[in-house]
Amino acid sequence: EAGVVQSPRYKIIEKKQPVAFWCNPISGHNTLYWYLQNLGQGPELLIRYENEEAVDDSQLPKDRFSAERLKGVDSTLKIQPAELGDSAVYLCASSKRQGATDTQYFGPGTRLTVL
Amino acid sequence: QQQVKQSPQSLIVQKGGISIINCAYENTAFDYFPWYQQFPGKGPALLIAIRPDVSEKKEGRFTISFNKSAKQFSLHIMDSQPGDSATYFCAASTLGGSRLTFGEGTQLTVNP
Repeated sequence: EAGVVQSPRYKIIEKKQPVAFWCNPISGHNTLYWYLQNLGQGPELLIRYENEEAVDDSQLPKDRFSAERLKGVDSTLKIQPAELGDSAVYLCASSKRQGATDTQYFGPGTRLTVL
Repeated sequence: QQQVKQSPQSLIVQKGGISIINCAYENTAFDYFPWYQQFPGKGPALLIAIRPDVSEKKEGRFTISFNKSAKQFSLHIMDSQPGDSATYFCAASTLGGSRLTFGEGTQLTVNP
């Protein structure tokens, strides 16, 4: 079974430029998550989708960040404009609830460097 | 607000030794407590998880001990191996795993 796929793996941009990250979840997983991971810290949830609906976006900085999950499969996370403090790893995860448990499986992440 | 506190920040263990990582939480609504392992350049991978209705869960060399009254849980790695060298994150979640809050991580080094 293929895991969560993310691209690109690395991205270097100048501040104020836009950037987009793409995620393809595990087949059949209806829940998709975007996390931010700063160096030396644990992941922090940005947004959670149930199918195509964003059900938890309270931690997403909506002035510059946006996300979409068209057709309830792939997802794109966008930053416009990027700031120096956005340099981090952006992780995508997916899950499919089984009983009372929702196990999340993570992709390898996109490492963003903003210069 | 940091809801999950993890310690130590780093840990060095000799091969064959026991690695112990501790976490404490505040939110009594948490109902799922997983541990994730992360290697450099990779995403976190689920190692083992526990629900609050049991006090211990063991899978191979990995054991979670859970103390509901103290709001603490820990990961024990028995017979630690150099291949276990990685960063370990505890997490806690409501909704059975849909809303994870991670600890800050422990960088484990197992010397040969």
